[in-house]
Amino acid sequence: QVQLVESGGGLVKPGGSLRLSCAASGVSFSENYMSWIRQAPGKGLEWVAYISSSGTTTYYADSVKGRFTVSRDNAKNSLYLQMNSLRAEDTAVYYCARDGNYGDLYYFDYWGQGTLVTVSS
Amino acid sequence: DIQMTQSPSSLSASVGDRVTITCRASQSIISYLNWYQQKPGKAPKLLIYGTSTLQSGVPSRFSGSGSGTDFTLTISSLQPEDFATYYCQQSDITPRVTFGQGTKLEIK
Repeated sequence: QVQLVESGGGLVKPGGSLRLSCAASGVSFSENYMSWIRQAPGKGLEWVAYISSSGTTTYYADSVKGRFTVSRDNAKNSLYLQMNSLRAEDTAVYYCARDGNYGDLYYFDYWGQGTLVTVSS
Repeated sequence: DIQMTQSPSSLSASVGDRVTITCRASQSIISYLNWYQQKPGKAPKLLIYGTSTLQSGVPSRFSGSGSGTDFTLTISSLQPEDFATYYCQQSDITPRVTFGQGTKLEIK
């Protein structure tokens, strides 16, 4: 059974930093593409970042590019999101999700429970 | 970025009703359209991918259709557990995917 468990959220001041982690189990983590997706309070879903299975390829939403860094440690079955220069608008629940696929059909088929990041002075 | 627009934003319905939610893309996404269900305080759950393929374990009362820019999610006979928020998501431009704003389905 695939399980994704995020941690590392909390309260941080504007301009501060935070590192989120996502621990994966029940899946061949090193073979999977992964993404971070966030949801501001009462709002919809926003894709934030993507990392390839090897970690060599990453993509970011324009809203976080240059401030956030996604990485992974396949030996530890873990995904990370380093968030710097945080802003109030980064306040959200952050989910890690697996990028599953069937042929050229891509989707997020496994999600963590989410971790809340609050940026406030 | 491809913009995804769902309608309606909210919907009231009764158990047993047939419900349809619409999702429109700002450009053609062929059939690269997914649907998710989210209940309060929970992570989204994949319902349908590739416009019409039900994810394993999803009840057959859910169905999806469409192509190009216009897509629909239909629930044939609403059950109490179906009251939730539904999101469409394009996967044509991957990994830079985008979601619709959501449709909140409430009990009438």
